[in-house]
Amino acid sequence: QITLKESGPTLVKPTQTLTLTCTFSGFSLTTSGVGVGWLRQAPGKVPEWLGIIYWDDDKRYGPSVKSRLTITKDTSRNQVVFTMTDADPVDSATYYCARQIYDIGGFDYWGQGALVTVSS
Amino acid sequence: DIQMTQSPSSLSASVGDRVTITCRASQDIRDDLGWYQMKPGKAPKRLIYAASTLQSGVPSRFSGSGSGTEFTLTINSLQPDDFATYFCLHHNLYPYTFGQGTKLDIK
Repeated sequence: QITLKESGPTLVKPTQTLTLTCTFSGFSLTTSGVGVGWLRQAPGKVPEWLGIIYWDDDKRYGPSVKSRLTITKDTSRNQVVFTMTDADPVDSATYYCARQIYDIGGFDYWGQGALVTVSS
Repeated sequence: DIQMTQSPSSLSASVGDRVTITCRASQDIRDDLGWYQMKPGKAPKRLIYAASTLQSGVPSRFSGSGSGTEFTLTINSLQPDDFATYFCLHHNLYPYTFGQGTKLDIK
């Protein structure tokens, strides 16, 4: 059974760094072709793809967050860490991590999401 | 970036109806597209991948078609659990982008 779960703070102050952890089970990020992505959806807005990390440590980032976002993996703990610097109120959203099989694309399994509010 | 234009933005239908949602890509994305169902407080669910392949475990009343720039999601014989918001998402190039979403509610 494949599961993913996002964890981290629910409230972050502007200019602070937002760190979220995706803890997954049922697959390995050492397996060729596997990736874990991050996406978010602000209230009433269209979802946004933020970035992805692959089994070979290749990483891709979306343009709106590229200068602020770092995604890393800890394969021994089955975790992917999302670190976004200089948080702004517009970053308030539900953040999701999700699995990708590279040859198929898209995301087949998702976490339930973590609601993050950026406010002073 | 590739723009995904999804329509309609909202749709009212009854249990048992058939509905169709469309996504148009701003350039050729082959079949690099999936359809997702989203409900508040729940993990998003992929229904269709590679434009027309039904995700394992998804009821056969869901179907997808299209390639290139035009894609459709069809739901036959709507069930109460199907009332949700639906998005298309392409993965042809980075950055991946979503359509604007279709909110399907009960008439």
